[in-house]
Amino acid sequence: SAVISQKPSRDICQRGTSLTIQCQVDSQVTMMFWYRQQPGQSLTLIATANQGSEATYESGFVIDKFPISRPNLTFSTLTVSNMSPEDSSIYLCSVLISWDSPLHFGNGTRLTVT
Amino acid sequence: AQKITQTQPGMFVQEKEAVTLDCTYDTSDPSYGLFWYKQPSSGEMIFLIYQGSYDQQNATEGRYSLNFQKARKSANLVISASQLGDSAMYFCAMREGGSQGNLIFGKGTKLSVKP
Repeated sequence: SAVISQKPSRDICQRGTSLTIQCQVDSQVTMMFWYRQQPGQSLTLIATANQGSEATYESGFVIDKFPISRPNLTFSTLTVSNMSPEDSSIYLCSVLISWDSPLHFGNGTRLTVT
Repeated sequence: AQKITQTQPGMFVQEKEAVTLDCTYDTSDPSYGLFWYKQPSSGEMIFLIYQGSYDQQNATEGRYSLNFQKARKSANLVISASQLGDSAMYFCAMREGGSQGNLIFGKGTKLSVKP
């Protein structure tokens, strides 16, 4: 198991601004991922956060909009840039400890853009 | 085509009864894993149960069991003796062998347990 601390837990932001979400894990993990959950929807993978290199983005997500860092094996950040109301979602950090283990999730960041 | 299909947007069950939540999947990868998560209104993602594609027996975890029918590509979650606290969204998810370990999620089923 892993203890994941995700900050902030929620925020209300103005259109055009940026928000950086932090994800800290209490132990080294194999992989870290960022998911988005739009209101009433399922989870969609934004990107895989790669340690020491550029993140791998899924179709429909780009680095300019969602820059991601992972400077070490226990920490990652996701920035939501130039926000619009359509970015209002829950953003979830998740980690993989070993291949046959489930993904462990942070408690999420509830973002509202006005 | 959707990789994970959950056809029941919402389900009702009487307290203490059993309920089955449906999940079908689509993959050509011979190695994969299937997962079920519970998401209460608080928003946290709670892992419930896992089934590997090569597992011979259906997975069980307490009141949760997974009815794995490989030929039909289905992995239904069975919750026995439902409790009021089981009311939540339930997501089926798959990890393909060729992936980086991420999960692909279905749209979810909202389960409501009636007293």
